[in-house]
Amino acid sequence: DTAVSQTPKYLVTQMGNDKSIKCEQNLGHDTMYWYKQDSKKFLKIMFSYNNKELIINETVPNRFSPKSPDKAHLNLHINSLELGDSAVYFCASSQRGTGEEKLFFGSGTQLSVL
Amino acid sequence: AQTVTQSQPEMSVQEAETVTLSCTYDTSESDYYLFWYKQPPSRQMILVIRQEAYKQQNATENRFSVNFQKAAKSFSLKISDSQLGDAAMYFCAYRGSSGDKLTFGTGTRLAVRP
Repeated sequence: DTAVSQTPKYLVTQMGNDKSIKCEQNLGHDTMYWYKQDSKKFLKIMFSYNNKELIINETVPNRFSPKSPDKAHLNLHINSLELGDSAVYFCASSQRGTGEEKLFFGSGTQLSVL
Repeated sequence: AQTVTQSQPEMSVQEAETVTLSCTYDTSESDYYLFWYKQPPSRQMILVIRQEAYKQQNATENRFSVNFQKAAKSFSLKISDSQLGDAAMYFCAYRGSSGDKLTFGTGTRLAVRP
């Protein structure tokens, strides 16, 4: 039933580990995003894919690699995790050209790097 | 680059009273979309209201309304008859007509006093 679902909701890991966050949307949207919310609640775009093609790649370390196997899925893989990667990561989706232009968000993944 | 500014980090309102949250933005585009999102403690990002820049009429959704001043690049949110469930972080966001991302302000934390 959930429109945008991401897993896991919580992720606690050690520095240096590699982890993935998965996202799926069942809204039929063609565009998906990853946003990062830091400890001060600031939300910033990381990546965006449209029909599996990367269209936005903000200044994000190469340790972060998004992958979109199809337009309903956008996963985020993070290598060599650092303390500063601790944040809440939100997946979102939207449909281009509808005139609505609003984003639907997942419930977030809280990543804690120890 | 577009920027969104929310100058009130925290606001407080008495239950049943009215409160206005401020937002200003900077853009060179003439056509764009503006949004207010609510983030309660559950972390979920919930769309409260949206406004198309080409529409002069201010958007309204039940107890929520906006004061959109295009020339001043101002987009404030008014919450009438405040309820305890309105307590949350509120984010103002901008999306250009040709853009594929939302640019968020830094948020305003709203407390509702019983």
